[in-house]
Amino acid sequence: TQLLEQSPQFLSIQEGENLTVYCNSSSVFSSLQWYRQEPGEGPVLLVTVVTGGEVKKLKRLTFQFGDARKDSSLHITAAQPGDTGLYLCAGRLTSNTGKLIFGQGTTLQVKP
Amino acid sequence: DAGVIQSPRHEVTEMGQEVTLRCKPISGHDYLFWYRQTMMRGLELLIYFNNNVPIDDSGMPEDRFSAKMPNASFSTLKIQPSEPRDSAVYFCASSLIGYSTFTDTQYFGPGTRLTVL
Repeated sequence: TQLLEQSPQFLSIQEGENLTVYCNSSSVFSSLQWYRQEPGEGPVLLVTVVTGGEVKKLKRLTFQFGDARKDSSLHITAAQPGDTGLYLCAGRLTSNTGKLIFGQGTTLQVKP
Repeated sequence: DAGVIQSPRHEVTEMGQEVTLRCKPISGHDYLFWYRQTMMRGLELLIYFNNNVPIDDSGMPEDRFSAKMPNASFSTLKIQPSEPRDSAVYFCASSLIGYSTFTDTQYFGPGTRLTVL
C-alpha cells in the first residue's frame, strides 16, 4: 500500500486541454513536493508547498496543498506537448527528516 | 556546475554476479540518497547518508544490498549476488538541507539502468 496515492496513473490528452493530478494520503505531511521526470533522466523539482491551503503557481501549473496537509493537486492549464512526462508527488512526514516518500507517479502524454 | 554524476549509465550482468553502482554528489551537499525505480513499485528510497554517515537504511531490500560513502564526494551501492528481480533504474540524489525546515531540493543523477539476466 502506497502512503501517497496519485491519480490518475496515466493521462493522455490533446494540446490545449486542462488537467488535474491528485496526490492523496491518510497521513499528515510537513511539506510536499512535486517533481517531473522525463524519459532517461532523473526527477526534477517543480515546487515545494509547506502550509495547509497554500497555492503556488508556476506559469501554467498551479499547485495546491490541502488544508489538512494530507493531499495536494497539480493543475495544468492549456497543456502543451512539452508538459509530457512523469509527475511525482513526494512528502516529508516530519520536518526533521531527510526522507522523502514518493507517490507512484502520473504519466502524462500531451498530443499535438 | 556539474550535477550528480552516476556510473555506469547502463549495466547488464548475469544472475549471481556482483554489481557496483557509483555516485558523485554535487559539491557541498551534505545529504546523499539512493533510490530504485521500477514500473511496479515506483521510486523507492533505499538508503540515505548525512555527512557520509548512513541515517536510514530501512529501504534496503535485503543483505545482498550494501552502500558506502567513504567521503563527501563518492558513494557506492553494491549488490552481491545480483538477481533478475534487482533489474531497475537506480538513482542517486544529493541535497543541501537547511536547518529551519526541510524544504530542500533533491538533485537527481541520470540513473543507472541495471539489467540482471
